[in-house]
Amino acid sequence: EAGVTQFPSHSVIEKGQTVTLRCDPISGHDNLYWYRRVMGKEIKFLLHFVKESKQDESGMPNNRFLAERTGGTYSTLKVQPAELEDSGVYFCASSQAGTPWETQYFGPGTRLLVL
Amino acid sequence: AQKVTQAQTEISVVEKEDVTLDCVYETRDTTYYLFWYKQPPSGELVFLIRRNSFDEQNEISGRYSWNFQKSTSSFNFTITASQVVDSAVYFCALTNNFGNEKLTFGTGTRLTIIP
Repeated sequence: EAGVTQFPSHSVIEKGQTVTLRCDPISGHDNLYWYRRVMGKEIKFLLHFVKESKQDESGMPNNRFLAERTGGTYSTLKVQPAELEDSGVYFCASSQAGTPWETQYFGPGTRLLVL
Repeated sequence: AQKVTQAQTEISVVEKEDVTLDCVYETRDTTYYLFWYKQPPSGELVFLIRRNSFDEQNEISGRYSWNFQKSTSSFNFTITASQVVDSAVYFCALTNNFGNEKLTFGTGTRLTIIP
């Protein structure tokens, strides 16, 4: 069974540019999460989709970040315009039931560097 | 609010030594779930274990063991007879039971096993 995949693995952009990250969850997983780790700090929650609906977007830092999950399958996270502080590793995770006790399975992350 | 503290930023041990990674958590909830994830050099977060707040039994899986103590709000992870393949960043995380599926992570501990 394929795991969570993310694309691209790395992205280097200049301040002010736009970047779109993609996440493909494990097949059949209705719940999809985005997290971010800024260098040396903890991994922080960004948002949670249940199918195509945003269940919780309390962690989204500001309106430069836009997440979508059309059709309830893969998800994209767009940063527009990117700022220096957006640099970090963006992780995607998925789970089947979305309950607090259920394991979330993570992808390899996208390393974003904004220059 | 909940919080996870991993006070050890980096640990280095010589191969075959035992090593314990500390995790201290804070939560007001009586029902919660604790997790450990491993991040090897390849980047993905690999699930290791889940524990609920009502189960204080220690767990052993091969060379890995976990010591959950509610009295000290700790969920420590011990690797016995460490191997080079154990080198990774290890994250402790927490969820609660009130519809809040998002993981709260610690800052991680980078473990280096010296051959």
